[in-house]
Amino acid sequence: GDQVKQSPSALSLQEGTNSALRCNFSIATTTVQWFLQNPRGSLMNLFYLVPGTKENGRLKSTFNSKESYSTLHIRDAQLEDSGTYFCAASPSSSFSKLVFGQGTSLSVVP
Amino acid sequence: GGIITQTPKFLIGQEGQKLTLKCQQNFNHDTMYWYRQDSGKGLRLIYYSITENDLQKGDLSEGYDASREKKSSFSLTVTSAQKNEMAVFLCASSIDSGRYEQYFGPGTRLTVL
Repeated sequence: GDQVKQSPSALSLQEGTNSALRCNFSIATTTVQWFLQNPRGSLMNLFYLVPGTKENGRLKSTFNSKESYSTLHIRDAQLEDSGTYFCAASPSSSFSKLVFGQGTSLSVVP
Repeated sequence: GGIITQTPKFLIGQEGQKLTLKCQQNFNHDTMYWYRQDSGKGLRLIYYSITENDLQKGDLSEGYDASREKKSSFSLTVTSAQKNEMAVFLCASSIDSGRYEQYFGPGTRLTVL
């Protein structure tokens, strides 16, 4: 089964609204990374998390290792936020690796 | 800051052909990675290398070879391209093999005719 499960798989947001993306982990996870993949395929680093919360502009992310999930909150969504968001877990068993979720495809519309 | 470059950007091959993808980084990072991304899916680890001349298999190593010729470069070889195969191969690097952030290159898009 999926070791990193992302939800929702796709999302359409009105410009200026807020939303949250979620990752659930079925493996013991030490750190989490969140990425945004643009239509050309480049992966942009958004957050690198140990258990806790980080904030950067309109984005805020939390990693709860005890309950095995991570969230990414987007506030005041803008057109340039569109793309595919991936979370990736670094397993306790092999923290050199990253195990990726399937992605959330976000479309921000005017 | 630093940058990861991948060559070529696009690679078209024939069935059964041996194809090589290259990656260079100027972060001075110890660890480098190769991932494969199929359309609409997440990335999966093929190989990684924690230092020059080191190789470690990922989950998807069958059908691939890799080579870490020097600290700054990491090559991936598709040993026998499969017909109708289409995927993007992404290279990444991190400071070392511990719990450190990974940074990604722009990818090589492979099409096999």
